[in-house]
Amino acid sequence: AQSVTQLDSQVPVFEEAPVELRCNYSSSVSVYLFWYVQYPNQGLQLLLKYLSGSTLVKSINGFEAEFNKSQTSFHLRKPSVHRSDTAEYFCAVRGIGRGSSYKLIFGSGTRLLVRP
Amino acid sequence: NAGVMQNPRHLVRRRGQEARLRCSPMKGHSHVYWYRQLPEEGLKFMVYLQKENIIDESGMPKERFSAEFPKEGPSILRIQQVVRGDSAAYFCASSPQGPSSGANVLTFGAGSRLTVL
Repeated sequence: AQSVTQLDSQVPVFEEAPVELRCNYSSSVSVYLFWYVQYPNQGLQLLLKYLSGSTLVKSINGFEAEFNKSQTSFHLRKPSVHRSDTAEYFCAVRGIGRGSSYKLIFGSGTRLLVRP
Repeated sequence: NAGVMQNPRHLVRRRGQEARLRCSPMKGHSHVYWYRQLPEEGLKFMVYLQKENIIDESGMPKERFSAEFPKEGPSILRIQQVVRGDSAAYFCASSPQGPSSGANVLTFGAGSRLTVL
């Protein structure tokens, strides 16, 4: 079974400042990792994913996340945030391989609040 | 190419009434998943369906909840005799392939927000 921990329920940050949203997971098998973003009153949108290969993955709007197997982490970062980045961010994990659940397991979410 | 379509977006019901939530997967997707998001919480898996088959309903409450994905038409999540604790956002996701096929990235709909008075 897998589990995901997002340590921060809310992260306030000033516009143009850097931000890191933390995500740690536990799993007895290899995993795929995802970050989803939920803007106010909207559904989830896939922000980026780690499936294999390079451990650093990037989105088109400046976010990046790095898979760290030894620390079982997949933290999300952005060097300079905009007001439009205000949203709820969810980290999710799925186990790989025979016998692993296909279900996406979500963290409880981190609310990013970008202030002017 | 329309994404995953869910309706209604907002639904208000009184205690004891029935709620029906519909989900049309992306074109070409034959695998549908329902998740529930309670206030201030992350999404929790409810059920996974393929056309005319329930594959895994381990996340569904044992009573009052049911789901179907008929040969024709959208997937339906049905909640009978709703209670206040059913108030939540219900998200549908779809994928083109089953879980055994690689990464199986899910595409989510915008959700249906159920409010029980």
